Amino acid sequence: LAKTTQPISMDSYEGQEVNITCSHNNIATNDYITWYQQFPSQGPRFIIQGYKTKVTNEVASLFIPADRKSSTLSLPRVSLSDTAVYYCLVGDANQAGTALIFGKGTTLSVSS
Amino acid sequence: GAVVSQHPSRVICKSGTSVKIECRSLDFQATTMFWYRQFPKQSLMLMATSNEGSKATYEQGVEKDKFLINHASLTLSTLTVTSAHPEDSSFYICSARVPGTGINEQFFGPGTRLTVL
Repeated sequence: LAKTTQPISMDSYEGQEVNITCSHNNIATNDYITWYQQFPSQGPRFIIQGYKTKVTNEVASLFIPADRKSSTLSLPRVSLSDTAVYYCLVGDANQAGTALIFGKGTTLSVSS
Repeated sequence: GAVVSQHPSRVICKSGTSVKIECRSLDFQATTMFWYRQFPKQSLMLMATSNEGSKATYEQGVEKDKFLINHASLTLSTLTVTSAHPEDSSFYICSARVPGTGINEQFFGPGTRLTVL
């Protein structure tokens, strides 16, 4: 499993765009990049997943450069309710259904 | 979307007692479920993989005789913390994957807060 590295914490204000970058230098060819969000005292929630280039859904965008050694989760116009821990995970597509291994995550604090 | 529930959401027990936590997939069948433990300000730590109809697979360092896992049906996995001690106090979370969804997409339960006095 490719190891991931994220900033421990980030601060932002309401209405700003937040970009959280994750490094995964040893990512393998079959690996996909997935991001989860966790609020205090709740289970994590899937946000977005991608393999390369850009993926966008109603919640966030995921940017993956050509070398795939990093990825950036972009949250547009954050609100107070986006305060949470964000986890970047890398997993093998051929092992779908196996357990997810979580790193330390990034604690995002949004202020008014 | 798929829903995973856990019961109870919160439990307080005395040291030495056993506590059972249930994890249910409400609208899908899960042949495999996962159990995690999370201490305050820390990340999720995988404890074991629960397989329907067979023995669970435990991660290194997790005592299988202390954390009993039973996956008797396609919608229910249980985690029993036997002879609980204060150091077992933690947030226990289960998850499951829905066939046909994203490769690394799993659905997590709301978690169970265990406090051992």
